[in-house]
Amino acid sequence: EVQLLESGGVLVQPGGSLRLSCAASGFTLRSHAMTWVRQAPGKGLEWVSFISGTGGTKQYAGSVKGRFTISRDISKNTLYLQMNSLRAEDTALYYCAKGPGELLLHYFDDWGQGTLVTVSS
Amino acid sequence: QSALTQPASVSGSPGQSITISCTGTSSDVGAYNYVSWYQQHPGKAPKLMIYEVGNRPSGVSNRFSGSQSGNTASLTISGLQAEDEADYYCSSYTTTDTLSFGGGTKLTVL
Repeated sequence: EVQLLESGGVLVQPGGSLRLSCAASGFTLRSHAMTWVRQAPGKGLEWVSFISGTGGTKQYAGSVKGRFTISRDISKNTLYLQMNSLRAEDTALYYCAKGPGELLLHYFDDWGQGTLVTVSS
Repeated sequence: QSALTQPASVSGSPGQSITISCTGTSSDVGAYNYVSWYQQHPGKAPKLMIYEVGNRPSGVSNRFSGSQSGNTASLTISGLQAEDEADYYCSSYTTTDTLSFGGGTKLTVL
């Protein structure tokens, strides 16, 4: 059974940094693309970043490019999102999700329950 | 402002059919057959309902169907049931190798 468990979301001050984790089980990250999608309180879904199963392809939304970095640790089967220079508008529930294949980046078939990041002074 | 445009809300009575549109451009929806649809109930994670315009993942009811014409994709739900009441989001791969979501549509089953 596929499981995705996000963690790391906390209250952080503007300008601060945070690393989110997404522990995967039931499959290997090496064989699947992964993505981060966020949802601000009461708002819609916003794509943040994705990484291919090979790790060779990484892309970011314009709103986070240069501030966020996606990575993974195959040995721990865990996906990460390093978030720097955080802003109030980064406040959201952050979901990780799994793609159906290592190079398929256009849809995601399993989702975690999310971890809440709040950026406020 | 979302890259893909969806109606804010739609409604229908049990047993009826409804359609939710998702309008993009030739740089996203119109570029590939890479539109997907997600259902999200309050307080829950999104669930994939349709991928690659009209394909249903295993376990998704055949009451859900998808189509596309040019830069507009559509999700149709037939035989509406109370449990279909949720938010629905379209998503499309883009020519800049990114993903775009629609703003979401709240479906109310009357």
